[in-house]
Amino acid sequence: GALVYQYPRRTICKSGTSMRMECQAVGFQATSVAWYRQSPQKTFELIALSTVNSAIKYEQNFTQEKFPISHPNLSFSSMTVLNAYLEDRGLYLCGARDWGGYEQYFGPGTRLTVL
Amino acid sequence: QQQVRQSPQSLTVWEGETAILNCSYEDSTFNYFPWYQQFPGEGPALLISISSVSDKKEDGRFTIFFNKREKKLSLHITDSQPGDSATYFCAARIGTNAYKVIFGKGTHLHVLP
Repeated sequence: GALVYQYPRRTICKSGTSMRMECQAVGFQATSVAWYRQSPQKTFELIALSTVNSAIKYEQNFTQEKFPISHPNLSFSSMTVLNAYLEDRGLYLCGARDWGGYEQYFGPGTRLTVL
Repeated sequence: QQQVRQSPQSLTVWEGETAILNCSYEDSTFNYFPWYQQFPGEGPALLISISSVSDKKEDGRFTIFFNKREKKLSLHITDSQPGDSATYFCAARIGTNAYKVIFGKGTHLHVLP
């Protein structure tokens, strides 16, 4: 079956420092990877969408300078939160889809705490 | 307007009852609607989904009813179990961007034994 792994599951960083998180798809080819942030109130915010052979598209209020993303192959993606501050806290979710697939599968998320 | 609205925000039912979770949208380009189930500390798991060409999708105790004209859909959970207690998210895929999915704010379901 289609599985998505994320690591680390939890991380704590000091305000102003950076943190990298990873996403791995197993059992299918992740031609599309979407990174979301889920707030403590459970609201989802789409950060960016990365599709093979296309430029990474960032949503309003999110930039490559703050959330650089790498999607080097069909099974792996990473995102870094640069200069993290309190408002960057939340659960960062990776959702992956394969070619022609309707379904988007999520990993368990990386919970970021900023001190 | 690219929004997905869910109601109620919280729902409590007794074990064995049917829980009804509602979802609505405004953007007519939405053409596919997955529902996700999320337990505390975990990522959302795909539960059931429906395409806009269908008006009903059933999978075991979970059924989606879809009214395209009114831009409404609902998730019915029959014979609710305490293990169904979770947050349920209605989502919508934008037809013009096959990879973009918009989430509602969720309905927190409590099933009492």
